[in-house]
Amino acid sequence: GAGVSQSPRYKVAKRGQDVALRCDPISGHVSLFWYQQALGQGPEFLTYFQNEAQLDKSGLPSDRFFAERPEGSVSTLKIQRTQQEDSAVYLCASSLVPGGGAFFGQGTRLTVV
Amino acid sequence: EDKVVQSPLSLVVHEGDTVTLNCSYEVTNFRSLLWYKQEKKAPTFLFMLTSSGIEKKSGRLSSILDKKELSSILNITATQTGDSAIYLCAVYYSGTYKYIFGTGTRLKVLA
Repeated sequence: GAGVSQSPRYKVAKRGQDVALRCDPISGHVSLFWYQQALGQGPEFLTYFQNEAQLDKSGLPSDRFFAERPEGSVSTLKIQRTQQEDSAVYLCASSLVPGGGAFFGQGTRLTVV
Repeated sequence: EDKVVQSPLSLVVHEGDTVTLNCSYEVTNFRSLLWYKQEKKAPTFLFMLTSSGIEKKSGRLSSILDKKELSSILNITATQTGDSAIYLCAVYYSGTYKYIFGTGTRLKVLA
């Protein structure tokens, strides 16, 4: 596709529910990032993939968060047993090469009630 | 601790004014600095500055990297209401795979 695509755009989850957020990066982009952005804050790093390899998951806030990119293209961020503090915008970005300019998707706004 | 600090946090100007946004960083093994514009949706890529490309310009927007001062500025001339947004600065450095973002500068341009 022309840009990074994320779905769903909005998700309301009841506390304790599991959610899955999808990211379609720009075709051919090696690097894929997930970020979490709280209101009024800059994006906070969650995890990084280079092709299918998850090279850095240091930003995942707890073991309830899990990400995968099995074929080196589409990625899924899964949050188990959602909590209210998980409410945020989840941004996915991709870059052609590591350290190159990263292009962001529209984000998924997750609200946990 | 690696960090990126942006100033001011917010700014209100009138159309036609020129603004300067600041970004300073404390990281080891700096590689690049990126500027983004964020409206209601995703951050939109503006510029990437590196040691080999310390100045970029696109229309009314321009940016300079000062490696000695560990900082960058983003200039917007002849501002328009459409420039109203949050401007984010991010830094990438060797030994990591992530971009570290500042909290952003919220710019509001009044007609």
